[in-house]
Amino acid sequence: KAGVTQTPRYLIKTRGQQVTLSCSPISGHRSVSWYQQTPGQGLQFLFEYFSETQRNKGNFPGRFSGRQFSNSRSEMNVSTLELGDSALYLCASRETGGGVEEQYFGPGTRLTVT
Amino acid sequence: QQQVKQSPQSLIVQKGGISIINCAYENTAFDYFPWYQQFPGKGPALLIAIRPDVSEKKEGRFTISFNKSAKQFSLHIMDSQPGDSATYFCAASMAAAGNKLTFGGGTRVLVKP
Repeated sequence: KAGVTQTPRYLIKTRGQQVTLSCSPISGHRSVSWYQQTPGQGLQFLFEYFSETQRNKGNFPGRFSGRQFSNSRSEMNVSTLELGDSALYLCASRETGGGVEEQYFGPGTRLTVT
Repeated sequence: QQQVKQSPQSLIVQKGGISIINCAYENTAFDYFPWYQQFPGKGPALLIAIRPDVSEKKEGRFTISFNKSAKQFSLHIMDSQPGDSATYFCAASMAAAGNKLTFGGGTRVLVKP
């Protein structure tokens, strides 16, 4: 099976702009989670989607949003970008999101805000 | 609130040596403890995981030791190889919180040949 794919891999945006990142989970996986990785804050949970519904949300401002499509692909959007949003954004998928299931991460999208 | 504390931040070990990374957690509701390995430019890859009803789990050269009463768990990498040079993250999750992963701060391991 192909792994989790994320596009684009690299992105440079200007402060105040908005950005959309895409994630395609492993085939058959219905749960998609997003994480932000920065040198200062480490890996932090953003939100999780399952069956097109947001099931869980981390402590991030409303500028961070996401959605999931019927084919389980997910997008996350960051509006009004700030310099501090520069980070590696990781997507992780698992089969159903219930119980103890392994989460598999994609390679991430490196976002730089200037 | 940092719920999972990881130490050390960095580690240098000779080839063939043992790398030991420790993590401590605060929330006793955590019920799943995975370890991830991350190489530069890559996403974290699941290495090994343990549930709190087990005190030790071994997979190849990687062993997790779990101490429920002390709320601590550790990763041992036996016979460390240069290819093991990476950043390692411990994490914890709980079913009651939707199984979101709470990560430790990471340990950068360098294995010298």
